[in-house]
Amino acid sequence: AQTVTQSQPEMSVQEAETVTLSCTYDTSESDYYLFWYKQPPSRQMILVIRQEAYKQQNATENRFSVNFQKAAKSFSLKISDSQLGDAAMYFCAYRSGTYKYIFGTGTRLKVLA
Amino acid sequence: GAVVSQHPSRVICKSGTSVKIECRSLDFQATTMFWYRQFPKKSLMLMATSNEGSKATYEQGVEKDKFLINHASLTLSTLTVTSAHPEDSSFYICSARDPAGGLYEQYFGPGTRLTVT
Repeated sequence: AQTVTQSQPEMSVQEAETVTLSCTYDTSESDYYLFWYKQPPSRQMILVIRQEAYKQQNATENRFSVNFQKAAKSFSLKISDSQLGDAAMYFCAYRSGTYKYIFGTGTRLKVLA
Repeated sequence: GAVVSQHPSRVICKSGTSVKIECRSLDFQATTMFWYRQFPKKSLMLMATSNEGSKATYEQGVEKDKFLINHASLTLSTLTVTSAHPEDSSFYICSARDPAGGLYEQYFGPGTRLTVT
């Protein structure tokens, strides 16, 4: 069975600085997708970025980028120029070929003004 | 982007009663919908996968007789919590898969907070 591990329950970053959230996963599948979702206090899940396992190039979406290390089964999220609105719970997620998502336990990100 | 709605956003019910939660895809036809449960300050746990016109597939440990799921149309799936008890109190989130795919292939609803008294 697939598992997703987020070892940082909480992280803090100064506004305008950079922070990296860690995620590791375990799977025996070769075709899968990885995601980072943001969950603000409203509880609405918001897609931040996604990575296809077959792509070697790391995904980037504006201030958000990932460091995808397939062999190490690592998928970290880097947030550059952190903003107050980035404060939220961040979940790393694995999606199998059956479209089922497995979520990590989440990292609460605090942005300090 | 695509929108998924849930109704109600929050509900309080008495122990022993049943409550229905609706999940609708507003601007696309969702062949597959998923139901998650999220405990306070915890992750999302997949409860079941709902395919239009067929029986839902439940994850291990989820009581299918307690959590009835119906996916009667391509835009609506319902979760009914039967004979609710206080331990069923939780935040329930649905997601819907847009078969047209693309980056935002699965959309999440805003969630329903269930409190059983």
